[in-house]
Amino acid sequence: KQEVTQIPAALSVPEGENLVLNCSFTDSAIYNLQWFRQDPGKGLTSLLLIQSSQREQTSGRLNASLDKSSGRSTLYIAASQPGDSATYLCAVSRSGGAQKLVFGQGTRLTINP
Amino acid sequence: GAGVSQSPSNKVTEKGKDVELRCDPISGHTALYWYRQSLGQGLEFLIYFQGNSAPDKSGLPSDRFSAERTGGSVSTLTIQRTQQEDSAVYLCASSLGAANTEAFFGQGTRLTVV
Repeated sequence: KQEVTQIPAALSVPEGENLVLNCSFTDSAIYNLQWFRQDPGKGLTSLLLIQSSQREQTSGRLNASLDKSSGRSTLYIAASQPGDSATYLCAVSRSGGAQKLVFGQGTRLTINP
Repeated sequence: GAGVSQSPSNKVTEKGKDVELRCDPISGHTALYWYRQSLGQGLEFLIYFQGNSAPDKSGLPSDRFSAERTGGSVSTLTIQRTQQEDSAVYLCASSLGAANTEAFFGQGTRLTVV
């Protein structure tokens, strides 16, 4: 059974810092990995999708990497801003099946002005 | 539509009543998913639709839960004889195809059973 773990559970940093969020998964047979952000009381906003054949994806100040063999992904946020404060979730879909996502518990990020 | 739309955004119901939650996916998306987000449980998969058929219902927690999709578009999740443990945020997502495509989520329906 696929399990996804995110460390740390919560992170608080001053504005302007670069930071890394970690995600690990137990079964390397994945189709893809997706990073989302969730603001309080809101749905999920897709940030980045990394296909299983890819090593990384970039969007603006965000960069996500994927190492399937070690079952790890990182989300790098450059020059953090207070507006980046949210819960960040990673999710993997298993290969051979539908896009049934297995989620981590999330990292609650707070950027202090 | 521009995004995945869910209604209602909030629903309070009495224990034992039936509820229907609606999801309107992004136009052209053939795949549709329901997830549930509970405090302390994280996000869990409920059911997946490809077109109007549901090849994976493995996440539905009991036979009180059912879902249908009509016209390859709108989906309804029905919970019969609601219980307090059904209280959660129910999230719907859609994607272009079944595999390896980006999933887009709606804002969710917050269900409270009193």
